[in-house]
Amino acid sequence: DQQVKQNSPSLSVQEGRISILNCDYTNSMFDYFLWYKKYPAEGPTFLISISSIKDKNEDGRFTVFLNKSAKHLSLHIVPSQPGDSAVYFCAAGNDYKLSFGAGTTVTVRA
Amino acid sequence: DVKVTQSSRYLVKRTGEKVFLECVQDMDHENMFWYRQDPGLGLRLIYFSYDVKMKEKGDIPEGYSVSREKKERFSLILESASTNQTSMYLCASRRGDKVYGYTFGSGTRLTVV
Repeated sequence: DQQVKQNSPSLSVQEGRISILNCDYTNSMFDYFLWYKKYPAEGPTFLISISSIKDKNEDGRFTVFLNKSAKHLSLHIVPSQPGDSAVYFCAAGNDYKLSFGAGTTVTVRA
Repeated sequence: DVKVTQSSRYLVKRTGEKVFLECVQDMDHENMFWYRQDPGLGLRLIYFSYDVKMKEKGDIPEGYSVSREKKERFSLILESASTNQTSMYLCASRRGDKVYGYTFGSGTRLTVV
C-alpha cells in the first residue's frame, strides 16, 4: 500500500509560468519530506527538502509547502524553464527509510 | 564530487540465474539502499543497510538478498532471477543525518528473459 501518492502522472506548463506539483501521504509518523528530480537514464537528484516542523522552504526557484493537517505537500517552480522538464518524485521518511510517490512527468513548453 | 557508482548500466539475464548488482559509494556514508523503479509505482525500497554488516528488509524484499561487508559497497543479490524482477534498480547512500537527501547512482536496467 503506497504511503506517498502523486495523483497527477503528468503536467505540461509553458515556459516562464508556475509549475505546481502535488503529493499526499498517509503516514503521520513521517517527519521529513523531499523532492527529487530525474532525467532519463540518470539517477534521481535531490532538489529540496522540508522538515515536519516547518510549513515552507524556499531555494531559488523552488518552494516546497507542507500542510500537515491535510497530509499534503506541494512543490512550486517559478518560473518554469525548459531544463525543468523531468520526472519529479515526492518522498517522505522517518528514521532510515524513505517512501516515494509514483512520480509526475513535467514538460515545459517553449 | 559525491558519487554512487553502479557497476552495470544494462544487464540481461536468464530466468533462474543468480544475479549480483554492485554499488559503491565514495562518500563514507553510513546508510545505503536498494530501490527498484517501475512505471506507475515509483521507487520501492528492497533492502537497506544502516552500517557495515547491518541490513534491514524494505517494503519488497522477497526474492532478494543483500551483502555489506565494507562500508563503501552494498550488493543486491537475486537468488534465482524471474521475469517479474525485470526493472530499473537504483542504489543510494546517505549520511547518518536524515535531513539531507540521498545520493543515487545512475541505475541498472535489468532484463530477465
